[in-house]
Amino acid sequence: EAGVTQFPSHSVIEKGQTVTLRCDPISGHDNLYWYRRVMGKEIKFLLHFVKESKQDESGMPNNRFLAERTGGTYSTLKVQPAELEDSGVYFCASSQEYGGGTDTQYFGPGTRLTVL
Amino acid sequence: QQPVQSPQAVILREGEDAVINCSSSKALYSVHWYRQKHGEAPVFLMILLKGGEQKGHDKISASFNEKKQQSSLYLTASQLSYSGTYFCGTPNSGNTPLVFGKGTRLSVIA
Repeated sequence: EAGVTQFPSHSVIEKGQTVTLRCDPISGHDNLYWYRRVMGKEIKFLLHFVKESKQDESGMPNNRFLAERTGGTYSTLKVQPAELEDSGVYFCASSQEYGGGTDTQYFGPGTRLTVL
Repeated sequence: QQPVQSPQAVILREGEDAVINCSSSKALYSVHWYRQKHGEAPVFLMILLKGGEQKGHDKISASFNEKKQQSSLYLTASQLSYSGTYFCGTPNSGNTPLVFGKGTRLSVIA
């Protein structure tokens, strides 16, 4: 069974540019999460999809971040325009059952975003 | 509420044991343990749901105290492959995403 995949693995852009990150969850997983880890700090939640619906987007930093999950399969996270503080590693995770309390979340390898 | 992990970092020689703690001032709904190696995906280790629960596989085990306010991860007879950053994560309630601790960096040296 293929794991969670993310593309690209690295992205280096200049401040003000746009970047789109992609996540392909494990097949059959309805729940898809985006997290971000800034250098040396904890992994922080950004948002949660259940199928194609945004269940919780309380962790999104601001309206420069836009996430979509059309058709309930893969998801994209767009940052427009990017700022220096957006640098970090963006992780995607997926889980089968609804609910973070008891369900195992499987993480992708992350996209390392550097904004210069 | 973010769980508190301790220690922040630990260095071990191969074969030594380590304990990583994850605690909160309030009862935790559940505790999820992950290990992340540099540049790789966080890998799920185990989940604890009930007070007093203990789980383990191979030489890595974990416990959840009766009050569900602390979980400990035990690494025995450490191997070089155990190196990485260990995170505990917990949801604020049953159906919310995980809130992670700041991580414990474990380095195992020969």
